Amino acid sequence: EAQVTQNPRYLITVTGKKLTVTCSQNMNHEYMSWYRQDPGLGLRQIYYSMNVEVTDKGDVPEGYKVSRKEKRNFPLILESPSPNQTSLYFCASSYAGTQYFGPGTRLLVL
Amino acid sequence: GQQLNQSPQSMFIQEGEDVSMNCTSSSIFNTWLWYKQDPGEGPVLLIALYKAGELTSNGRLTAQFGITRKDSFLNISASIPSDVGIYFCAGLFYAGGTSYGKLTFGQGTILTVHP
Repeated sequence: EAQVTQNPRYLITVTGKKLTVTCSQNMNHEYMSWYRQDPGLGLRQIYYSMNVEVTDKGDVPEGYKVSRKEKRNFPLILESPSPNQTSLYFCASSYAGTQYFGPGTRLLVL
Repeated sequence: GQQLNQSPQSMFIQEGEDVSMNCTSSSIFNTWLWYKQDPGEGPVLLIALYKAGELTSNGRLTAQFGITRKDSFLNISASIPSDVGIYFCAGLFYAGGTSYGKLTFGQGTILTVHP
């Protein structure tokens, strides 16, 4: 089954404790991206990757890092999380412009 | 950067009614996409539009890509309770021969359907 998976689905952490949210797709898509979703703001792109070892900033990249060492995986790294990064995060992969989303990771930073 | 205005922000309707929502942009897009998000889930693609003026249907859903390339609408006919959710428009702009471009989302329309 073609899908995008994210882990963990739910995470509670404290300010400053580094964390990684994993994302994996099995569709051999070159393009992957990360979004955060906040009430009233819709989905905002954090980072995207057009292929292995090619990443670029989206609209809200501050406080986040990504890496793309292999095509199927695109982890999101928060080196020093802060409460304003409490949000719902979605990973997506795409082919020919249409994006397929993962189930989301709900993060709470205390 | 590009901005999308989606309206209405929310709708409360009776089962069986038709629904219409739209998105307008300050600049042109090459592709318009409509997604639906159920609670606790990621957005799911409903309809993709690739050409100005294109009108596409998917069951009870119909969407159009505006002639100016700056707007799109989504209609849902004969709504049912499972239509409840958040609907997002998204515009994709790309140039230079690549189809990957940047996707910009509207703020979403929250649809509630009363049985």
